[in-house]
Amino acid sequence: GAGVSQSPSNKVTEKGKDVELRCDPISGHTALYWYRQSLGQGLEFLIYFQGNSAPDKSGLPSDRFSAERTGGSVSTLTIQRTQQEDSAVYLCASSSRTGNNEQFFGPGTRLTVL
Amino acid sequence: KNEVEQSPQNLTAQEGEFITINCSYSVGISALHWLQQHPGGGIVSLFMLSSGKKKHGRLIATINIQEKHSSLHITASHPRDSAVYICAVGGADGLTFGKGTHLIIQP
Repeated sequence: GAGVSQSPSNKVTEKGKDVELRCDPISGHTALYWYRQSLGQGLEFLIYFQGNSAPDKSGLPSDRFSAERTGGSVSTLTIQRTQQEDSAVYLCASSSRTGNNEQFFGPGTRLTVL
Repeated sequence: KNEVEQSPQNLTAQEGEFITINCSYSVGISALHWLQQHPGGGIVSLFMLSSGKKKHGRLIATINIQEKHSSLHITASHPRDSAVYICAVGGADGLTFGKGTHLIIQP
């Protein structure tokens, strides 16, 4: 079985444009997580889904960020009106259930906002 | 919010040395994760543990729940072990990460 996949692998955009990042979790994994790794910074948690529901959106950096998940599978992270400080690697992970189960990480999407 | 501290931040050692990376956290947890990130590479989960000790090849992870402390050990280190090692804690609502330990193993 395939691992977690993310697309695109790299995205360069101009300030003010909207971007959409996609995550395909491991088949059957009900929990899906989005994280961000900024240059020189550690990893930070953004949001997680259990099924199609995101119980807590407080980790999203601003109201320009939104995420959705449909069919309990694919998730998209949308950043509207991108800013230079949004430049980072956006990582997705999935696990078979929330709680103690191991998370499997995707390769990430490197976003550069010019 | 859980605070996760790792030490050392940077570590350079010679091939064959025994390596120890430490992680401490502030709030009781259900699980602790050790992750590995190679330069330009993705993140790989090495261990997830909630008590005791786990071993995989040359890697050993231990956790002391009472002391809120975990260690990652590498025996007979090799240049291919060079990477950033990240400690993370959490459960259902996502992970909180340490800043990572940048390990370089010189031949």
